[in-house]
This record gives sequence, structure tokens and C-alpha cells, in this order.
Amino acid sequence: AQKITQTQPGMFVQEKEAVTLDCTYDTSDQSYGLFWYKQPSSGEMIFLIYQGSYDEQNATEGRYSLNFQKARKSANLVISASQLGDSAMYFCAMREGWSQFYFGTGTSLTVIP
Amino acid sequence: DTAVSQTPKYLVTQMGNDKSIKCEQNLGHDTMYWYKQDSKKFLKIMFSYNNKELIINETVPNRFSPKSPDKAHLNLHINSLELGDSAVYFCASSKDRGPGNTIYFGEGSWLTVV
Repeated sequence: AQKITQTQPGMFVQEKEAVTLDCTYDTSDQSYGLFWYKQPSSGEMIFLIYQGSYDEQNATEGRYSLNFQKARKSANLVISASQLGDSAMYFCAMREGWSQFYFGTGTSLTVIP
Repeated sequence: DTAVSQTPKYLVTQMGNDKSIKCEQNLGHDTMYWYKQDSKKFLKIMFSYNNKELIINETVPNRFSPKSPDKAHLNLHINSLELGDSAVYFCASSKDRGPGNTIYFGEGSWLTVV
């Protein structure tokens, strides 16, 4: 079974609108971390936001927030007030326990002026 | 200063050649990684080292050999390059392997085998 599933290969959003990128995960561990990364066309991988499995509050970092629904095993990324520079690939990732990182297949986001 | 730096950034080489990619991190992290990103953007773990000790060695051809001279460096050597090795190779590091530890990536090395 896939550890991380991102079901949206591509998404479009109007500039200044909010957008939600979906991510579901699969683990039986109690202790795990969830992460989102951004990869612009220039290719670097940029860490955006982290949510721990024991964190009760949703993580926020500026215009990024992580909508963590533990029972549903989902960790959706919400980007508010989209900007043209948000156009990129976005990867959801999970680390369970002390094992390796698992990455999803990514969602390509295009922000339309 | 770049936290995780890898060189070269671009590498074009012929089939059958041997090449190396070097990686250094100045974050004081204990764990380092090599990832391969294919043309479909899928990120696949290749190797992971913790304090110079190999801890993850995924199903990777033995033409790929990592070397960690110290915990700040993790180099990747590739023998007898094949067309299918063309990809972006990312070096990365994290404080340790705990669930809350973020992985920080280098800028990537674009390898093209012709």
C-alpha cells in the first residue's frame, strides 16, 4: 500500500484565491511526522511546513497551513491568497517512527493571473 | 552559506563513464541521504547514512556506491553509467531519524547520460 497518496496530479487556482492540496497517509505508528515541500521549476526542494502526530493544533507558516485530520489520515496543505510564485510541484511526505521518509507523487499547482 | 551543497549541479557524460557527485552539509546533522528524482518527478530514496554508518540501502544497482568520510559529507559514485541513470540526484540531511526531523535538500545534480 502507498504510504502517501496525492490524488491531484494537477491543480489550477486564480491568483489571490485559496487552494487546498490533498494528501492522505497510511501508517499504524502512533508517532509520525507529516511534511510538505515545494519544488519550483528551478528544481530545488523547499521545506514548507511540518505537523507532528501528537500536535493538536494545525500547523501554520505564513500563508501555508496544514489541515490535519488524524482520524481520516489526511494532511492537506492550504495556501491562502495564492501568488504567481506559488506555481510549482508540491510534495507531501511522512516519516513514521525512526524510519525513512516517504514522499507522495506530487501535485502540480498553476496559479492563473 | 548554503546548508546542503552538492556539486556538480549539471553533469553530461557518456554511457560507460564513471562519475561522482559530492555533498556537504554545514547544519551539524547526523543523518544524510541520497534521493533520485526521475522524469515523472517521483522521489526515490537511494541511501541513508547516520553518523557515517549506512542505514538505508534501497534496491539500487551496485554501480552506485555511497561514501561518507565524515558525518558532514556523503558522496555518490556511479560506475558504468547507463542511459537510465539520467535523473536529478538530491543530497539531503536531517538532524537525526526521528519522526519530527525535517529533511533539508541540496539544490540537486542534473545528470544526463548520452
